[in-house]
Amino acid sequence: GAVVSQHPSRVICKSGTSVKIECRSLDFQATTMFWYRQFPKQSLMLMATSNEGSKATYEQGVEKDKFLINHASLTLSTLTVTSAHPEDSSFYICSARSSRQGSGNTIYFGEGSWLTVV
Amino acid sequence: AQSVAQPEDQVNVAEGNPLTVKCTYSVSGNPYLFWYVQYPNRGLQFLLKYITGDNLVKGSYGFEAEFNKSQTSFHLKKPSALVSDSALYFCAVRDMRSSNTGKLIFGQGTTLQVKP
Repeated sequence: GAVVSQHPSRVICKSGTSVKIECRSLDFQATTMFWYRQFPKQSLMLMATSNEGSKATYEQGVEKDKFLINHASLTLSTLTVTSAHPEDSSFYICSARSSRQGSGNTIYFGEGSWLTVV
Repeated sequence: AQSVAQPEDQVNVAEGNPLTVKCTYSVSGNPYLFWYVQYPNRGLQFLLKYITGDNLVKGSYGFEAEFNKSQTSFHLKKPSALVSDSALYFCAVRDMRSSNTGKLIFGQGTTLQVKP
């Protein structure tokens, strides 16, 4: 199946600093990627839809100025958590849909990134 | 409203026994349904999907799921559980309100515990 890579897998940052998480589709192009947040033993909460070459679409309640999303190419989307606070500590997961013939609308997920703000 | 429900927080089964993880959905139109598995501290791995065609869908690692339109269900099954199947399982449906085909609505997840 298609591969989605996230980096870093774990990051610790100081409160007040910014941290960037990358999401790459390794063997397919993705005009759209999705960013989710997951708390321990809970379901995934969609934060925003990342659109290549245009602004991201944020879900209700998600601060666009705090969670900056950039989708500069067909294989890369980045999520930057600005002025991070301890409550931003969470597991962040991205996903992308492969438009490759035969993939049949399957959505593939990255391995996730653990963010700890201290 | 579109939604996905996984009524069981946890399912316990003995190794070698059949397992079922339940999922029901509510969408307008024909649903696109998915099952994913998540191991601790990992991302989601795709197991199987139903788009159209046969109601019984076979997926990875011996899992299968049956689409039942009348009961609006898409239960995940496996004839013989393995200890290594222990993980968190998510049922999801494509958000039909969105023109974007990648947006999913997830159930709350079911923890599967397979005991030796």
